[in-house]
Amino acid sequence: GESVGLHLPTLSVQEGDNSIINCAYSNSASDYFIWYKQESGKGPQFIIDIRSNMDKRQGQRVTVLLNKTVKHLSLQIAATQPGDSAVYFCAETGGSYIPTFGRGTSLIVHP
Amino acid sequence: SQTIHQWPATLVQPVGSPLSLECTVEGTSNPNLYWYRQAAGRGLQLLFYSVGIGQISSEVPQNLSASRPQDRQFILSSKKLLLSDSGFYLCAWSQQGTEQYFGPGTRLTVT
Repeated sequence: GESVGLHLPTLSVQEGDNSIINCAYSNSASDYFIWYKQESGKGPQFIIDIRSNMDKRQGQRVTVLLNKTVKHLSLQIAATQPGDSAVYFCAETGGSYIPTFGRGTSLIVHP
Repeated sequence: SQTIHQWPATLVQPVGSPLSLECTVEGTSNPNLYWYRQAAGRGLQLLFYSVGIGQISSEVPQNLSASRPQDRQFILSSKKLLLSDSGFYLCAWSQQGTEQYFGPGTRLTVT
């Protein structure tokens, strides 16, 4: 997939700031979207998901926004903490077994 | 609760040697199973997925193979490793239409 060969973009924020990580998807038939967090040396972990019948979903300190018109997904992290430093991947699926992952964004939180 | 295991955690193998990585899942039945490879600082590359025992689909032609001898066991193999096979190998499971759960990964270095 296109996410494989490219270096990851980086977002640097100060502790306590809000972070916004963006993701563009290409398949208009996708109806399920997921955000994962991957800490260094570990496997990705599920953060939050959203289905296409919604445009916003909130979790603990995280919010996912879905704009189907422009095929855009974002993850907002409130009051970012050093423990939030990781690589964040979005994924989309249209009901098949195979999710399509975005290229990932490296979030660096400075104390 | 469901858990996913991968072993070994790290592996250093010479070029031309065989490979066997194992992944097992507990606490769920009939999972979809996946093998991914991740190069340092890169995204996730899907290698194989399986929707049932003995059913393997390959996403990328290469010298790796996968097998699913039991419902919750997924094995990644190679008869002769190449330098380019080095990377971080991740196993994941999901149920149809839901998020994936990733294992802790195996760091493979081919020398």
